[in-house]
Amino acid sequence: GQNIDQPTEMTATEGAIVQINCTYQTSGFNGLFWYQQHAGEAPTFLSYNVLDGLEEKGRFSSFLSRSKGYSYLLLKELQMKDSASYLCAVMDSNYQLIWGAGTKLIIKP
Amino acid sequence: DAEITQSPRHKITETGRQVTLACHQTWNHNNMFWYRQDLGHGLRLIHYSYGVQDTNKGEVSDGYSVSRSNTEDLPLTLESAASSQTSVYFCASSESWEGGNEQFFGPGTRLTVL
Repeated sequence: GQNIDQPTEMTATEGAIVQINCTYQTSGFNGLFWYQQHAGEAPTFLSYNVLDGLEEKGRFSSFLSRSKGYSYLLLKELQMKDSASYLCAVMDSNYQLIWGAGTKLIIKP
Repeated sequence: DAEITQSPRHKITETGRQVTLACHQTWNHNNMFWYRQDLGHGLRLIHYSYGVQDTNKGEVSDGYSVSRSNTEDLPLTLESAASSQTSVYFCASSESWEGGNEQFFGPGTRLTVL
């Protein structure tokens, strides 16, 4: 079967750095997405990786290793507004998105 | 600005009733999707469409149907609502099914089936 694993919850301090991991086992791979979802709101796109390596976008970076079935989202200089759930999703061989359950990130002052 | 809207935002219904959730997008996207989101689960695909008159079943399609008569709309119908269908429903759209085309999500509909 297809599986996406992420930690359920993480806590970090304002101004610090946090890394959210995602491991996947899917039938085929056509890219990995990270989305942010604030409580009670819709998911919004953060990043897309299809090749191995690091993609940097401001305070957020996303890394992919296809051989290891592994990705992480790195958030730097954490702000209170970063408190949200972070969703990892893999596009499989049928170009369907398979979603992880999400990681709830709690930021403390 | 282009957007994707859903209505109603909240709905309470009774077991056995037919319910239709609306989704409207002004992105002019060919692809539209319906997901449900439940605690402890990732988003799960219910139905999707790659264009007018095209509809396909997703992972959890039992008890749901969709129709696509134009580019902008993909209504989701629960034929006979069940308590197991209490959930938050998200509609999404994307320009293409290829590569890194992100999906844009509507604000969601919270459905309660009593």
